[in-house]
Amino acid sequence: GENVEQHPSTLSVQEGDSAVIKCTYSDSASNYFPWYKQELGKRPQLIIDIRSNVGEKKDQRIAVTLNKTAKHFSLHITETQPEDSAVYFCAASTGGAGSYQLTFGKGTKLSVIP
Amino acid sequence: SAVISQKPSRDICQRGTSLTIQCQVDSQVTMMFWYRQQPGQSLTLIATANQGSEATYESGFVIDKFPISRPNLTFSTLTVSNMSPEDSSIYLCSVVRRGTTYEQYFGPGTRLTVT
Repeated sequence: GENVEQHPSTLSVQEGDSAVIKCTYSDSASNYFPWYKQELGKRPQLIIDIRSNVGEKKDQRIAVTLNKTAKHFSLHITETQPEDSAVYFCAASTGGAGSYQLTFGKGTKLSVIP
Repeated sequence: SAVISQKPSRDICQRGTSLTIQCQVDSQVTMMFWYRQQPGQSLTLIATANQGSEATYESGFVIDKFPISRPNLTFSTLTVSNMSPEDSSIYLCSVVRRGTTYEQYFGPGTRLTVT
């Protein structure tokens, strides 16, 4: 089955700096890669996703890149703000054909220092 | 996104008992899933809740321990049976909305503590 590795497990940045979280996956059939943000005591929230036919996707201060050949994808947050502090999870799915199961990485705890 | 609710939001139960968690969505969805998130850990898929048929369980999870029902397109239940302290976790349902392809949205979760 799919295996998703996520690094780093913790990340501290100064407010205004950029943060990068990286994930690798094992199943070359995976074609959908979402990122979730989970604040303490809250549900995971989908913040951005990318499909395997796209190399990069941006949404304001957040971007995700995908390298299918190397089987890795990354989350980039620019101009970080204290409210970006949370645990971020990457995930992978083979998607389609009735199969939408997500395999999650272990998470990255991001702390943005004011 | 769909409005997803779960009941109860939290519970404290004694070992050996069972708890049924409900997941209700305000619109029809194509897929419903149940996940477990142990304290400080990532999310692990328990099973896919199939409408009108038996759920599809992931490795390490069995129907006798986690029976699941999904009688229609907007509602599902997960029962945690014969509980032990190791079952203390947050249990979350997630859905894929009708008309979308892959995006999964999570319910608020049920925080279960087994004493």
